Amino acid sequence: DTGVSQNPRHKITKRGQNVTFRCDPISEHNRLYWYRQTLGQGPEFLTYFQNEAQLEKSRLLSDRFSAERPKGSFSTLEIQRTEQGDSAMYLCASSFPGQMNTEAFFGQGTRLTVV
Amino acid sequence: KNEVEQSPQNLTAQEGEFITINCSYSVGISALHWLQQHPGGGIVSLFMLSSGKKKHGRLIATINIQEKHSSLHITASHPRDSAVYICAVSSGNQFYFGTGTSLTVIP
Repeated sequence: DTGVSQNPRHKITKRGQNVTFRCDPISEHNRLYWYRQTLGQGPEFLTYFQNEAQLEKSRLLSDRFSAERPKGSFSTLEIQRTEQGDSAMYLCASSFPGQMNTEAFFGQGTRLTVV
Repeated sequence: KNEVEQSPQNLTAQEGEFITINCSYSVGISALHWLQQHPGGGIVSLFMLSSGKKKHGRLIATINIQEKHSSLHITASHPRDSAVYICAVSSGNQFYFGTGTSLTVIP
């Protein structure tokens, strides 16, 4: 296992289209996080999972956004009816079970451009 | 007010200079992370620390829990160090991030 993997790395879509991103965490990690980073800003929390349970969602996650982690392994983040304001880097991170004071492992991110 | 504040926002240095980036936080933490992000790239974790000091090559990270402050130092800076450096803290079930310091090292 070489770390957290995100696909695709880049996505360009037309406004109004739906997009889905995938994150494969480090295999023994049961916590998985999604963040969004816009230009010139630090990452902002979107949601996190412990195993397959989605435990917390940010108010940034509007009803057009949905995240799943059906088997407690990989996760998907879907954006419906994309808007230009959704253009950002979407980052995934994972951590060891129940341990917050461990090193954070981040994926390379998916850069979304909505045109 | 952000839970994590970084300074400076932008920094330009000549190759070989000693660089310091500062981070202050306002929440209780279990750990503080220094992250590096190259243009168009993902994030790489440089350090995780909860006390004291850590060193890796030319990078040194320190934390003062009482003052809720951390610093990242780069000795003998090099153009390949040019990147955005982000401070993040683990608090409760979340990470909180600073807005990053954009470092440019000129040859």
